[in-house]
Amino acid sequence: SAVISQKPSRDICQRGTSLTIQCQVDSQVTMMFWYRQQPGQSLTLIATANQGSEATYESGFVIDKFPISRPNLTFSTLTVSNMSPEDSSIYLCSVEGTYEQYFGPGTRLTVT
Amino acid sequence: AQSVTQLDSHVSVSEGTPVLLRCNYSSSYSPSLFWYVQHPNKGLQLLLKYTSAATLVKGINGFEAEFKKSETSFHLTKPSAHMSDAAEYFCVVSDQGTGGFKTIFGAGTRLFVKA
Repeated sequence: SAVISQKPSRDICQRGTSLTIQCQVDSQVTMMFWYRQQPGQSLTLIATANQGSEATYESGFVIDKFPISRPNLTFSTLTVSNMSPEDSSIYLCSVEGTYEQYFGPGTRLTVT
Repeated sequence: AQSVTQLDSHVSVSEGTPVLLRCNYSSSYSPSLFWYVQHPNKGLQLLLKYTSAATLVKGINGFEAEFKKSETSFHLTKPSAHMSDAAEYFCVVSDQGTGGFKTIFGAGTRLFVKA
């Protein structure tokens, strides 16, 4: 299994600013995933991050808005740039296990 | 291509009665299937998973699910609902296709349990 921590756990930000979310895993993993869960919605995959390469973004998500870093096999960051109220969501980091994905506790972002 | 359809956006049951949450999937490969539960303001918790072993999968808290390939279904059941089961449930499909490892979440089913 993998234990994942995220910082911050929650934040309230003003529109137009940026927030960087950190994800730390207790073991080395090849692939890390970032998800968004908008209020009352399911999880949507934002991007897949492999160490040493550019993140792969899903349709509807772009690097300028959600830049991702993956400097090593246990850490990743997701930045939510130029925020608007529509970005208010829970952002979750996830890693792939042998037979399942493990999820972090999430970062609850509110943009005012 | 993968897809997951949870057939009910919400289900309401009385405490002590059976629970059925329905999920249909499509996958071009041999998928792994999961059910996750999310209580209000809590993180995701894995209930159970199917990974090509026994088709009837038992999970935590008395939940189980049966993989039916012919029906492309993976419905979640519990014989007797408890108030603490009230939560959001997500059916999830994962497979390793030509595009790489992919996981798709269903839209979710909100379970209400009445006293």
